[in-house]
Amino acid sequence: NAGVTQTPKFQVLKTGQSMTLQCAQDMNHEYMSWYRQDPGMGLRLIHYSVGAGITDQGEVPNGYNVSRSTTEDFPLRLLSAAPSQTSVYFCASRRRTGSGNTIYFGEGSWLTVV
Amino acid sequence: SQQGEEDPQALSIQEGENATMNCSYKTSINNLQWYRQNSGRGLVHLILIRSNEREKHSGRLRVTLDTSKKSSSLLITASRAADTASYFCATANQGGSEKLVFGKGMKLTVNP
Repeated sequence: NAGVTQTPKFQVLKTGQSMTLQCAQDMNHEYMSWYRQDPGMGLRLIHYSVGAGITDQGEVPNGYNVSRSTTEDFPLRLLSAAPSQTSVYFCASRRRTGSGNTIYFGEGSWLTVV
Repeated sequence: SQQGEEDPQALSIQEGENATMNCSYKTSINNLQWYRQNSGRGLVHLILIRSNEREKHSGRLRVTLDTSKKSSSLLITASRAADTASYFCATANQGGSEKLVFGKGMKLTVNP
């Protein structure tokens, strides 16, 4: 198993541009989520999904869009990039058989908005 | 909003020493988890302790949970240079929330 795969690893955007961060998992996990990590802020939940066709907002959803058309994929779209969205983004997944199951993280996507 | 808060925010020790990290949280929880993050990498799950458990061990890791004080501690015994990383606690609230809320993290440096 590849686990959780994120692409791209690094990206530089200009203010106002849009882009999609890709996330795929091959573990048949129902639950997937996106976090952003900023210095001194820990991880903050952007959006999450408990299964195909179901998404919900996390703590900091503004400026981001998600969809979950398949179990495997959970892309994160930046609609109109702003410098405040410069961050490291992590995708994660886990089984939904209980609230305590281990979360598996991707390796991160470093995004800079200039 | 941040639920867990790790303490201290940074810790530097010598190889072979024990490292203790503390986490405090604000609301009732279903479980508390600890994660490690090496520089430039994703987070890796270390250990989970449920709200009805008081202590748990995994290899060189020992986690305690005091729900009356809303706090947890992570002890790494006989530390190694490879333990150098950031450590995060994360809480899953009662009520079956799907969300984990992470603390800001603590940087551990183990000097060889």
